[in-house]
Amino acid sequence: NAGVTQTPKFRVLKTGQSMTLLCAQDMNHEYMYWYRQDPGMGLRLIHYSVGEGTTAKGEVPDGYNVSRLKKQNFLLGLESAAPSQTSVYFCASSPRTGAGANVLTFGAGSRLTVL
Amino acid sequence: GESVGLHLPTLSVQEGDNSIINCAYSNSASDYFIWYKQESGKGPQFIIDIRSNMDKRQGQRVTVLLNKTVKHLSLQIAATQPGDSAVYFCAEKRGLGSARQLTFGSGTQLTVLP
Repeated sequence: NAGVTQTPKFRVLKTGQSMTLLCAQDMNHEYMYWYRQDPGMGLRLIHYSVGEGTTAKGEVPDGYNVSRLKKQNFLLGLESAAPSQTSVYFCASSPRTGAGANVLTFGAGSRLTVL
Repeated sequence: GESVGLHLPTLSVQEGDNSIINCAYSNSASDYFIWYKQESGKGPQFIIDIRSNMDKRQGQRVTVLLNKTVKHLSLQIAATQPGDSAVYFCAEKRGLGSARQLTFGSGTQLTVLP
């Protein structure tokens, strides 16, 4: 079982460029999330999705867009990258109900550098 | 504002000793707490969780203690091993809802000395 897979693992962008991070999960989880992790700070929620075709804003959504066209995939887009978006991005998923509903399963992370 | 924080950003322990990682929270309405371990270059990994109606919960070599009176959470690791070296995060969830409502602390770096 692969769990949560993120691609790419590393990316360097120039200011103003666009890119998309891909997240795929094979656990049939309803909920998916994108977080960013910066030095000295906890994980901050960017956007999340409670099901195919639905997305919602998290704590720090500005500058990002997301799409959930298929249940197993959650895409994070940067339309015009800025140096402030240099960070490590984590995708996570969780089931909608049951004992594991509060437990996030994370991917390995995608390190993005914006020059 | 309300936040989840950690008392110490770094902790060094001798191999074989017990480790205690602390976490403070300020919202008495929080009803669920969770600990994650993050090894270098990897994503956070679930360790153990506890609900606010419990004071203690044990797992394999780990114990989480919850003191609601002083709003304090701790993670105890017994017989710490080199593989335990990582950053440990606590997170809290306030009220009903999905995991999206988790608020994460900034983490404690645990280093296990030989």
